[in-house]
Amino acid sequence: TQLLEQSPQFLSIQEGENLTVYCNSSSVFSSLQWYRQEPGEGPVLLVTVVTGGEVKKLKRLTFQFGDARKDSSLHITAAQPGDTGLYLCAGATGNQFYFGTGTSLTVIP
Amino acid sequence: SQTIHQWPATLVQPVGSPLSLECTVEGTSNPNLYWYRQAAGRGLQLLFYSVGIGQISSEVPQNLSASRPQDRQFILSSKKLLLSDSGFYLCAWDRGQRELFFGEGSRLTVL
Repeated sequence: TQLLEQSPQFLSIQEGENLTVYCNSSSVFSSLQWYRQEPGEGPVLLVTVVTGGEVKKLKRLTFQFGDARKDSSLHITAAQPGDTGLYLCAGATGNQFYFGTGTSLTVIP
Repeated sequence: SQTIHQWPATLVQPVGSPLSLECTVEGTSNPNLYWYRQAAGRGLQLLFYSVGIGQISSEVPQNLSASRPQDRQFILSSKKLLLSDSGFYLCAWDRGQRELFFGEGSRLTVL
């Protein structure tokens, strides 16, 4: 079992603020995904990063894959209440996907 | 388009009773299938994955088992539930594109 640690575990911020969520592991992954999950639902894919050092942008969200493909970060600019949810990173190796410990984000209007 | 369904959505079972959760994928063939369990507000723990009919890999030794009787059907079972089996169970599929697609989830409460 691969271990991915996310930090922070909980984050409560005001609308308009910026934030960064980190996903760290001692294992190397062939790719890394970020998902967002609403209560009582399954996670939904936000992005997949494959190449070490890769940066992807999705509107106000910026994702980066570490050079060594062991870690990743998610940066949100000008957070909005609609960004509220549980953010999960997942590392892929072989046919397995291992999920991080999760970051619960609350954006206060 | 591809869809994934799992049922039941909610289940309350006494300790020692059996369990069967079912997952079905439509609109694709030969998917990789996965069962995950999630504690409240936390990450997902990989329980089982399958790359084909009758092929099951277990990640964590425990009170559960999985079967894949058909290409697009994945079943999670237990003969005797424990209190610690309570949680939110998620089925997912992928086709090697490095993107997992999840079902709606099944919330199990063991009393």
